Amino acid sequence: SQELEQSPQSLIVQEGKNLTINCTSSKTLYGLYWYKQKYGEGLIFLMMLQKGGEEKSHEKITAKLDEKKQQSSLHITASQPSHAGIYLCGADRGRNSNRDDKIIFGKGTRLHILP
Amino acid sequence: DAGVIQSPRHEVTEMGQEVTLRCKPISGHDYLFWYRQTMMRGLELLIYFNNNVPIDDSGMPEDRFSAKMPNASFSTLKIQPSEPRDSAVYFCASSFDPKMNTEAFFGQGTRLTVV
Repeated sequence: SQELEQSPQSLIVQEGKNLTINCTSSKTLYGLYWYKQKYGEGLIFLMMLQKGGEEKSHEKITAKLDEKKQQSSLHITASQPSHAGIYLCGADRGRNSNRDDKIIFGKGTRLHILP
Repeated sequence: DAGVIQSPRHEVTEMGQEVTLRCKPISGHDYLFWYRQTMMRGLELLIYFNNNVPIDDSGMPEDRFSAKMPNASFSTLKIQPSEPRDSAVYFCASSFDPKMNTEAFFGQGTRLTVV
């Protein structure tokens, strides 16, 4: 079963606008990763969040982990064409399983930026 | 380091043929992951290795799929016989111990088309 749900599945935003992508886990989050994938390419690491309430920023991208809600949000301010791509959240299975070194991913959010 | 290197970048093969995908992880990383990405199912973990030993292959879809890691610098994913539904982008990733909260580094992927 899918353990990480991302919303929305796709997003079309006018250049310059702000946007938010959400990632919700069905299990307790011990570590959450955000990756970006340009179409036809591999995944590029953006940032990792470990503690509830932790917030990190990378250029105009900010991500926050709400551990109680088992949720993370990724916010882009003043979007640019270079932000277009697929954003994936990934989670370390942590102490939820005997096999606790897996990194699993949501299905991704496809972001399109209109000029 | 050149990063995770996958070959080939593209593979087109006929149904029933054997396909071998190759991966060279980042030197020093002791975890290696094979993922498959499709529009319908997103990024799925197929199998992962720790110190060249397969730890969890529960994501391997069928017996037609097999993976090996004969040494720390090389891994293969083999499909025999291939079927059209195997068409996808296959990613290899490597990392240090995910429990140490380090990110995984992805290769550029192999786009497999089975006709």
